[in-house]
Amino acid sequence: NAGVTQTPKFQVLKTGQSMTLQCAQDMNHNSMYWYRQDPGMGLRLIYYSASEGTTDKGEVPNGYNVSRLNKREFSLRLESAAPSQTSVYFCASGETGTGETQYFGPGTRLLVL
Amino acid sequence: QKEVEQNSGPLSVPEGAIASLNCTYSDRGSQSFFWYRQYSGKSPELIMFIYSNGDKEDGRFTAQLNKASQYVSLLIRDSQPSDSATYLCAHQEESSYKLIFGSGTRLLVRP
Repeated sequence: NAGVTQTPKFQVLKTGQSMTLQCAQDMNHNSMYWYRQDPGMGLRLIYYSASEGTTDKGEVPNGYNVSRLNKREFSLRLESAAPSQTSVYFCASGETGTGETQYFGPGTRLLVL
Repeated sequence: QKEVEQNSGPLSVPEGAIASLNCTYSDRGSQSFFWYRQYSGKSPELIMFIYSNGDKEDGRFTAQLNKASQYVSLLIRDSQPSDSATYLCAHQEESSYKLIFGSGTRLLVRP
């Protein structure tokens, strides 16, 4: 039981390049989330998916797209990376409901030059 | 103004002392609150969930919720150096079940 897995662990991009961050969970959770974490800013929600086939914007969606490929997988795409997107990205999953605990993946460290 | 406010710290306490971490929130409708712990370079992990007014205890951890004053706190008794981490407070939006996080308080427990 791996929980929430993310790939890659670390990535360096040049401005304007694109990439997709992958996330998968094996806990049969309905909800999945993408956050970014910057120093002093806490966790900010980029996009989330409350169930397979649905996605919604979070607090900071600009410059990102997502795909809920199936119940297990939720990917985050940067179409044209910018230095402001340098951050640590966390994927999380959980059941949908009051008191839902979110379980986090190990994170992807992204550096955009 | 952020929806969830935390003092960034660091909060420094000696080993064996009680560490008190505080969090205020602006959404009066919030019902569910979470405390996550995050070690440096690692992902957040849940340590406490509280829903009702009052105290909830789990081992050395006690979460306190005061909805009238809109604050939630976390007490760590008999603090250990291994408790040194950043503690993130979050509340859950009732309509969407999304979590809204504060910026976190860094705790340092001195041996």
